[in-house]
Amino acid sequence: AQSVTQLGSHVSVSEGALVLLRCNYSSSVPPYLFWYVQYPNQGLQLLLKYTSAATLVKGINGFEAEFKKSETSFHLTKPSAHMSDAAEYFCAVSDQGLISSGSARQLTFGSGTQLTVLP
Amino acid sequence: EPEVTQTPSHQVTQMGQEVILRCVPISNHLYFYWYRQILGQKVEFLVSFYNNEISEKSEIFDDQFSVERPDGSNFTLKIRSTKLEDSAMYFCASMRGPRSHEQFFGPGTRLTVL
Repeated sequence: AQSVTQLGSHVSVSEGALVLLRCNYSSSVPPYLFWYVQYPNQGLQLLLKYTSAATLVKGINGFEAEFKKSETSFHLTKPSAHMSDAAEYFCAVSDQGLISSGSARQLTFGSGTQLTVLP
Repeated sequence: EPEVTQTPSHQVTQMGQEVILRCVPISNHLYFYWYRQILGQKVEFLVSFYNNEISEKSEIFDDQFSVERPDGSNFTLKIRSTKLEDSAMYFCASMRGPRSHEQFFGPGTRLTVL
């Protein structure tokens, strides 16, 4: 079984400040980890993913995340927030199982963090 | 750039009515998924579909739900007798193949059950 916990349902930062969105996961098997962003009235857009290669992953729009196995964490960061970053952010986990063995690689999502960027 | 599309964007229905939500996955993708997001809650997995059959389903996906790939392009989610608690945003996603990790999401269909 897998689960994701996102600490802080709402985070506010000033424009230009560091963005840190926290994600901790629980998985009995090696995970794949993802961050998705959802703008108002839109679908989910992939920001970045960890798939067991480099532990520091860079994504779109200047975001990055670091996989820390010892802490079971995959926190999302951006050095300098922009007004356009205001959105809801979801951390998600799937297993690395082989599709042929029956794994559907479905995503388990966290509850989301609403990021507000203040001028 | 290829994308997943969903129709309609918003569906309003009466309790007890049947609804069909439609999705067109990216054309060369082989794995298809439905997720839902009740307002203010997390996105939840409903069902995955591969090779014309369900590969996995969640507890939410009971006998009221069914999925189908009626032709080479559409992927549908049917709810036979809608309940008030079915009101949610429904997302379709597709994934290219067995070595893929990334699911591509559609914009969603907002279902409102009155």
